[in-house]
Amino acid sequence: SYELTQPPSVSLSPGQTARITCSGDALPKKYAYWYQQKSRQAPVLVIYEDSKRPSGIPERFSGSISGTMATLTISGARVEDEADYYCYSTDSSGNHRVFGGGTKLTVL
Amino acid sequence: EVQLVESGGGLVQPGGSLRLSCAASGFTFSSYWMSWVRQAPGKGLEWVANIKEDGSEKNYVDSVKGRFTISRDNAKNSLYLQMNSLRAEDTAVYYCAAGYCSGGSCSSTPFYWGQGTLVTVSS
Repeated sequence: SYELTQPPSVSLSPGQTARITCSGDALPKKYAYWYQQKSRQAPVLVIYEDSKRPSGIPERFSGSISGTMATLTISGARVEDEADYYCYSTDSSGNHRVFGGGTKLTVL
Repeated sequence: EVQLVESGGGLVQPGGSLRLSCAASGFTFSSYWMSWVRQAPGKGLEWVANIKEDGSEKNYVDSVKGRFTISRDNAKNSLYLQMNSLRAEDTAVYYCAAGYCSGGSCSSTPFYWGQGTLVTVSS
């Protein structure tokens, strides 16, 4: 089965730049998506189709792709950005839809 | 404003059945793919199933094939998940999610999410 690999945790101080990676063999061919989930809340889409930002998502959130790795970048991270972040994509056939294991972002 | 409201969760014994519903509003329901995504307590997100705009295509994660059935009623702006032969490992918050359309094409990827409904499978 297809897997997306994320680091379990990332920690930084407010104002620093956070980079969360997501590795998957099909990422050169299939879009990556990123979701933010704050404690006890529903997920929110923050990046779609590798690098597009939905309306209402702050400009400090950006996405990029390089080979088999997608990266979510939060420039000038704020305490309010503390959350779990999940990447999402499909395998090369498009038949298996998967989330990465999630990355807990701590900003303090 | 897009709203997705799940209902139907609760406590059920192993081997039992449950039907989840999702009431949609604020968008043209019949024009979008719909999905169910679940999250076990303290765990990550898991895609469960999706259904095409007109119901003509349905996809499931391997672990629920043959036990869960996704369906929709476009006249009622509603999505459903019939869950049979439930197991302890099906215990999770179940989220209803809508896809999106961009640049003339539509994707099943969850874009808008409901708040979820908790399903607990336990004796």
